[in-house]
Parts: sequence; C-alpha cells; structure tokens
Amino acid sequence: DQQVKQNSPSLSVQEGRISILNCDYTNSMFDYFLWYKKYPAEGPTFLISISSIKDKNEDGRFTVFLNKSAKHLSLHIVPSQPGDSAVYFCAASARKGSSNTGKLIFGQGTTLQVKP
Amino acid sequence: KAGVTQTPRYLIKTRGQQVTLSCSPISGHRSVSWYQQTPGQGLQFLFEYFSETQRNKGNFPGRFSGRQFSNSRSEMNVSTLELGDSALYLCASSDLQETQYFGPGTRLLVL
Repeated sequence: DQQVKQNSPSLSVQEGRISILNCDYTNSMFDYFLWYKKYPAEGPTFLISISSIKDKNEDGRFTVFLNKSAKHLSLHIVPSQPGDSAVYFCAASARKGSSNTGKLIFGQGTTLQVKP
Repeated sequence: KAGVTQTPRYLIKTRGQQVTLSCSPISGHRSVSWYQQTPGQGLQFLFEYFSETQRNKGNFPGRFSGRQFSNSRSEMNVSTLELGDSALYLCASSDLQETQYFGPGTRLLVL
C-alpha cells in the first residue's frame, strides 16, 4: 500500500530549462507535503513544503503546486542547474491525530539529471 | 544553528550483534524521528520521540528500539542484527509537527 508515489524513476533536462517532478498520493488525511533533495549516502535536504490550505508555494527557483482534488503535487525548478542533479523525494504527513505524529511517508524518489 | 548530527557515520557489525546509533537534534527541537533507507523499501519510518516519550512507531520488529534523553538527544538500538538490517539510518528533528530536518545518516553494514 504505497500512499505516496513518484511514478517517474528518472528525469533528464538541459541546463537552463524547467524541471518538473511529480508526486501522487492516496491518503486524503495528508495535510502537509514536502520535497527533499538527496545525494547518495547523505541525509535528505529540505527544499520546500506546502500546507493543504494552499495550492502553491514558491521559494527562489523552486515552486511546489498542490492539486488536492487530483491528489497530486509537483515541484518545478526554474532554471535548472547541473548542481540540481540528485534524487528528489516527495513526502507527506497527516498532522492531525496522535497516530501520525512525527511520521513522514516518502515516495520512491526521482533521479534528476541536469545536463550542461 | 548547528544541524542534526549522527554518530557514528559508518558501522560494520556481524549477524547476531547489537548496535546503538546516536542522534543530536537541532537546538530547540524536541521531536526526533528515525527512518531506515534501503534500496528495496525506500525511506521507512521507524519511530518518533518527543519529550522522552515514544509517540509513534512504524512497522518494524521489536528488535528495533529507541529512547530520548532530557536534552532531546536520541538513540536507537537494533538487537540480534540480521543481514537485512544493512541500511542507511536517518534521524530527523523538528519543532512541533512542522518540517523535519535530517542528519547525514549512519551507514550500517551487517556481515
């Protein structure tokens, strides 16, 4: 039962273009979503988050869009840079309810390659 | 502020042994969560501690346990190690229920 899915294992884009990473979820109780960037054998680095009361959040080159009716979120990186090459994970949490505290559900990750 | 720190960074153990991993959260963060990352299962939640109490637990056997100290530092312990316990163990700290910030992880290899 995979509640958070990243259906594209990999994505390759040219430097300067837009990178769009997608994530779908099934649990309607999720109310907080995050994107992390990860290099091998390192911990995930937080990029950007969005609450379910919003449909867009922007931070510099990174924008996250949330479509609650479709249970879909996406991360846009504009412009893409070679240093953005990494594995990107989306994660979700249901902040209400004692059984959900401190628990993030992660997708399987998408490997982004930005070519110079 | 200093980030989340984890020690040791690398560890090699043999089957049947036990291991203790340590995590120091970001100053002021009282919630510490632990995750296991393996190639096959991805990132999976182990448990979460807040104010020295385990508030949530994932679907892992009882061989996996943890604790939190009064200064919010946390340890996790794995007893009777199995080959399948080889993984990257990550801890994350957060303030209340907001964003979790991860440490660099401990790479455990069980031979």
